[in-house]
Amino acid sequence: GAGVSQSPSNKVTEKGKDVELRCDPISGHTALYWYRQSLGQGLEFLIYFQGNSAPDKSGLPSDRFSAERTGGSVSTLTIQRTQQEDSAVYLCASSLIGGAEAFFGQGTRLTVV
Amino acid sequence: DAKTTQPNSMESNEEEPVHLPCNHSTISGTDYIHWYRQLPSQGPEYVIHGLTSNVNNRMASLAIAEDRKSSTLILHRATLRDAAVYYCILSATTNFGNEKLTFGTGTRLTIIP
Repeated sequence: GAGVSQSPSNKVTEKGKDVELRCDPISGHTALYWYRQSLGQGLEFLIYFQGNSAPDKSGLPSDRFSAERTGGSVSTLTIQRTQQEDSAVYLCASSLIGGAEAFFGQGTRLTVV
Repeated sequence: DAKTTQPNSMESNEEEPVHLPCNHSTISGTDYIHWYRQLPSQGPEYVIHGLTSNVNNRMASLAIAEDRKSSTLILHRATLRDAAVYYCILSATTNFGNEKLTFGTGTRLTIIP
């Protein structure tokens, strides 16, 4: 595809369940970022990847959150035992190393009930 | 990380120019100034970036102070579609994709018809 694709676009889950959010970056983009945005708030950095490696995991809120990237392409953000405070829009972006522009997907809106 | 400071909100009349300020007094010599905007219910999108000289593109102009401690994003003729949250962030393009992108709270721009 031409842009960053995220799926699902919306996810409603029950408290305590695990969820997986997927990001398909632009082909050839080595860098991949995950952010989350709570209602009316700014972007909160979660994690970024260079290829399949994650040099900076400092933004992951707790050990319930994990992310992986395989083949230097698709990334999955997993939230275990979801809590209501996990409700937010999860945004993924990709860029070239040494580029000047990050391209964002439309996000996954996660609602924990 | 070098930090940026922006006003929380601004208003402008439709079809008039808009000047969005950003302070970055701790900017390093290799940091580029990037601007992104986030339209309602969408992921952020790239607007413009620059290092020292003023920059123009089809979306906007970027005016950078001589000491580089501040910059201004200029929308020459605001339309209703320009209503968004505008983020000013710093990153070295040679290191772009090798570091996390830190978004502040941005400036919420309201366009008055």
